[in-house]
Amino acid sequence: DAGITQSPRHKVTETGTPVTLRCHQTENHRYMYWYRQDPGHGLRLIHYSYGVKDTDKGEVSDGYSVSRSKTEDFLLTLESATSSQTSVYFCAISGQGAGQPQHFGDGTRLSIL
Amino acid sequence: KQEVTQIPAALSVPEGENLVLNCSFTDSAIYNLQWFRQDPGKGLTSLLLIQSSQREQTSGRLNASLDKSSGRSTLYIAASQPGDSATYLCTNAGNNRKLIWGLGTSLAVNP
Repeated sequence: DAGITQSPRHKVTETGTPVTLRCHQTENHRYMYWYRQDPGHGLRLIHYSYGVKDTDKGEVSDGYSVSRSKTEDFLLTLESATSSQTSVYFCAISGQGAGQPQHFGDGTRLSIL
Repeated sequence: KQEVTQIPAALSVPEGENLVLNCSFTDSAIYNLQWFRQDPGKGLTSLLLIQSSQREQTSGRLNASLDKSSGRSTLYIAASQPGDSATYLCTNAGNNRKLIWGLGTSLAVNP
């Protein structure tokens, strides 16, 4: 299995608090992604990174920010969490080239009360 | 806007059947197409990836095909087993490399 670790795996917090999710990889892959998965919506891309300090928005980026200061770490921050951000968050990585599949972490289940 | 549709949404079959899962997409300008498997409460596992220049890929009992002109991909599972029970997701990467996902087909293989 690809070396991807998401932390925390579960988190419960209150509306208005900041939350940071971490994705750590040991594969030295260039591309890293943050998705959320919700019933009826499937997987939706929040942000992605194509290198250290190089990031871009996905389709549901409002309310989220990301940072990538090292190849191996990609952080997702909810500046002020809202109940609509309750979801399962997945990190994925991929190498460069059309033949490189995405590999996923085990997910973080985030509940915002 | 690229959209990915998977049919059927759910499928229940007896063990041993050969089955086909369908995926259709609206934009033929794709980078690659991938099929994933997701078990309940788990992450996603990559099954097969077809590059834009390819027509099909095979891995064991799985075969995926790609027809860009019709905007369709199929995942064929031969001799299904109870362990194949999972949700199967199709995703299409456009030339901007951003993946657009279908909602998946929930498969139950009954012993």
